[in-house]
Amino acid sequence: AQTVTQSQPEMSVQEAETVTLSCTYDTSENNYYLFWYKQPPSRQMILVIRQEAYKQQNATENRFSVNFQKAAKSFSLKISDSQLGDTAMYFCAFMFSGGGADGLTFGKGTHLIIQP
Amino acid sequence: NAGVTQTPKFRILKIGQSMTLQCTQDMNHNYMYWYRQDPGMGLKLIYYSVGAGITDKGEVPNGYNVSRSTTEDFPLRLELAAPSQTSVYFCASSPPGIPYNEQFFGPGTRLTVL
Repeated sequence: AQTVTQSQPEMSVQEAETVTLSCTYDTSENNYYLFWYKQPPSRQMILVIRQEAYKQQNATENRFSVNFQKAAKSFSLKISDSQLGDTAMYFCAFMFSGGGADGLTFGKGTHLIIQP
Repeated sequence: NAGVTQTPKFRILKIGQSMTLQCTQDMNHNYMYWYRQDPGMGLKLIYYSVGAGITDKGEVPNGYNVSRSTTEDFPLRLELAAPSQTSVYFCASSPPGIPYNEQFFGPGTRLTVL
């Protein structure tokens, strides 16, 4: 079974700063997907970014980018020019590449606080 | 297009009671999932379904049952509620396909068992 570990329970940065959230995972599979989800106080789960394991290029979505190190099984999220609206829980998640039927395996999350 | 809807939003149960959490999606997605989120934790998969009439257990299925009679609906049944089932429950759906298609989450149901 795969596991996802987020070692930073909480982080706090000033608005406009850059912040990096860490995630490591353990799996014996070679083909899989990795995700970062955002959960604001509303509880809604929002997909931030995803990475296919077979792609060497790191995924980028506007201010959000990842550093995917497959050999090290590391998948960190970088948020540039952080905004107050980025305050939320952030979850790293893993899925086998079998079409999505197996569901997602989540880490425990990192509570990110953006200070004004 | 409402996406994934869940009812109720909140519920308090007494130990030993039973209830059904409702989940409906209007996106014609084949895949549907139930997760639970305990305080300070990530989501854990309870059950999933790849289509009407087909369900399978996830990581934490004990104490729950599901059915999938239609593509749209995927109710989660709690029998003999226990305090350990106090959690927030999320339903999600996705279309099948490779590469991966995004899972769309409902707003969640907060359940307290006293």
